Amino acid sequence: GPKVLQIPSHQIIDMGQMVTLNCDPVSNHLYFYWYKQILGQQMEFLVNFYNGKVMEKSKLFKDQFSVERPDGSYFTLKIQPTALEDSAVYFCASSLWGSSYEQYFGPGTRLTVL
Amino acid sequence: GQQVQQSPASLVLQEGENAELQCNFSTSLNSMQWFYQRPGGSLVSLFYNPSGTKHSGRLTSTTVIKERRSSLHISSSQTTDSGTYLCALARSSNTNKVVFGTGTRLQVLP
Repeated sequence: GPKVLQIPSHQIIDMGQMVTLNCDPVSNHLYFYWYKQILGQQMEFLVNFYNGKVMEKSKLFKDQFSVERPDGSYFTLKIQPTALEDSAVYFCASSLWGSSYEQYFGPGTRLTVL
Repeated sequence: GQQVQQSPASLVLQEGENAELQCNFSTSLNSMQWFYQRPGGSLVSLFYNPSGTKHSGRLTSTTVIKERRSSLHISSSQTTDSGTYLCALARSSNTNKVVFGTGTRLQVLP
């Protein structure tokens, strides 16, 4: 089936540094999402993105977070500066239209902030 | 309170037994998906099932919108079925937000 790719699979970074997580969504999809899962905890919605804009974000999507998809390339999640509580697995997803359509998930990027 | 509740929270089976996992939600529904999360963390999509019943091998998903519930039935469980099962729903309001349940941790013993 359609695949979503995420790069890197694992990132270790010092607190205060910037990190960019990359997602290669399904090619004809128009909606993109980021989710955060702290180890052993529930998967939480962060943000969704459509037509170059953030459509909706949760309380977890702090001011230090930003998303973009320049010129149809990777859909990225940038955290600047990082904090210890940002350590988690970040999952990217895409869907053809909105969330009433099936979402396809990537394998996740495990972010460790030291 | 929790919009999406899964039960049981954990379940231990002997190989060959069947399992019934429940997902109950408190909001109206636009879509429902079931996922299997491997012990290493990666997600496997099992069903996209906003309503009705779907089958895939030993798995069956049934969503009853009026009763605000969805179930996942696993027949003849295998040790490789061990992991966490998640339901996720999108509400039928003007939002694209998807909410995940808390998950059911399944352990199948040989």
